[in-house]
Amino acid sequence: DAGVTQSPTHLIKTRGQQVTLRCSPKSGHDTVSWYQQALGQGPQFIFQYYEEEERQRGNFPDRFSGHQFPNYSSELNVNALLLGDSALYLCASSLRGQRNTEAFFGQGTRLTVV
Amino acid sequence: AQRVTQPEKLLSVFKGAPVELKCNYSYSGSPELFWYVQYSRQRLQLLLRHISRESIKGFTADLNKGETSFHLKKPFAQEEDSAMYYCALSPLHSGNTPLVFGKGTRLSVIA
Repeated sequence: DAGVTQSPTHLIKTRGQQVTLRCSPKSGHDTVSWYQQALGQGPQFIFQYYEEEERQRGNFPDRFSGHQFPNYSSELNVNALLLGDSALYLCASSLRGQRNTEAFFGQGTRLTVV
Repeated sequence: AQRVTQPEKLLSVFKGAPVELKCNYSYSGSPELFWYVQYSRQRLQLLLRHISRESIKGFTADLNKGETSFHLKKPFAQEEDSAMYYCALSPLHSGNTPLVFGKGTRLSVIA
């Protein structure tokens, strides 16, 4: 089991562009959550997907959107990139309905906006 | 609002010395508290959670509801403990409710 995998590992984009990040959950997991980790900060929740729908959302603007596919993999899209969007983006997967489920994290995608 | 505070950005200790990484939280309901660790070039991983009452790699943490704290302790630090440590919170038995993280403390164990 490769665990949670994210691609790409690094990405450089220009202000105003759009970006798509990808995540494959751990085998057997059906829920994917995305976090943004700015330099020197802890991870901050963006949103969570289950059954191909956004179930919960943190305090992020609509420029941040996502998608979940039937195989449970997920994408994070960010439009109209700002310099402040530069961060490590983490994907975490878990199993819904399991009372004390553990969230497993991917290695992250380092996004740099120039 | 839920909030997790880790007052120390960096903690340096000598090998064999005791370690205590502080974590305070703010939450109106019943929380579940976690410690996550990130070793160099590795992914964020769960170290321990208060409901398990386990000791992982010699680390323990006790939830103190009166002081709203969940400090991480180890009696004798090892060099391999050097890492970034994050305290996190979610509502108790909430299943998939997202985690609220502190800003993290970097532990450096000096030989």
